[in-house]
Amino acid sequence: DSGVTQTPKHLITATGQRVTLRCSPRSGDLSVYWYQQSLDQGLQFLIQYYNGEERAKGNILERFSAQQFPDLHSELNLSSLELGDSALYFCASSKGWAEGLFFGPGTRLTVL
Amino acid sequence: AQKITQTQPGMFVQEKEAVTLDCTYDTSDQSYGLFWYKQPSSGEMIFLIYQGSYDEQNATEGRYSLNFQKARKSANLVISASQLGDSAMYFCAMRWDQAGTALIFGKGTTLSVSS
Repeated sequence: DSGVTQTPKHLITATGQRVTLRCSPRSGDLSVYWYQQSLDQGLQFLIQYYNGEERAKGNILERFSAQQFPDLHSELNLSSLELGDSALYFCASSKGWAEGLFFGPGTRLTVL
Repeated sequence: AQKITQTQPGMFVQEKEAVTLDCTYDTSDQSYGLFWYKQPSSGEMIFLIYQGSYDEQNATEGRYSLNFQKARKSANLVISASQLGDSAMYFCAMRWDQAGTALIFGKGTTLSVSS
């Protein structure tokens, strides 16, 4: 158990809909990262937050947004969903540069 | 641009054999970190080992060691005495100074261990 929690575990929705994925980092970790894993694109970095502020942006679509709240949990919002958004979405947290990212169990999103 | 390359899509070994999973990277930064993760079929991402670019010794964690050859820009993972439970996808990843603390990942190598 990495100490990072994600809800829900599975999500099935239709094209055009909006969903929210939730993540709680390990106790004491200020950084939260979101990744998308799909068969064709592999593991893609989406966005990082540090103590409530956006720190880095990766390949995140404009239809996607995220935020980190004062209690350090984070939410990833995906809107106008398309079939191609079906993927495993990971949240990870970390204390610092030399430490690995610790991943949550992931949310498997299926868009029908 | 920074890049991680894993050229072996699949590797097959028998129990108790050692196996090397290849990883090469490309960065012009002097300060960077290299990581290996394991993803079993259940889907979770498990951190295995870390090597910093300034570390002179190869990192080791139990049966895992990282063969770091800086001049060749390679960071191969060596698993000694393979076990059936080692069957999984293995990802090499890198973070570099200019990127902050996010990691970029290679495409992964699937390791299958048979008895």
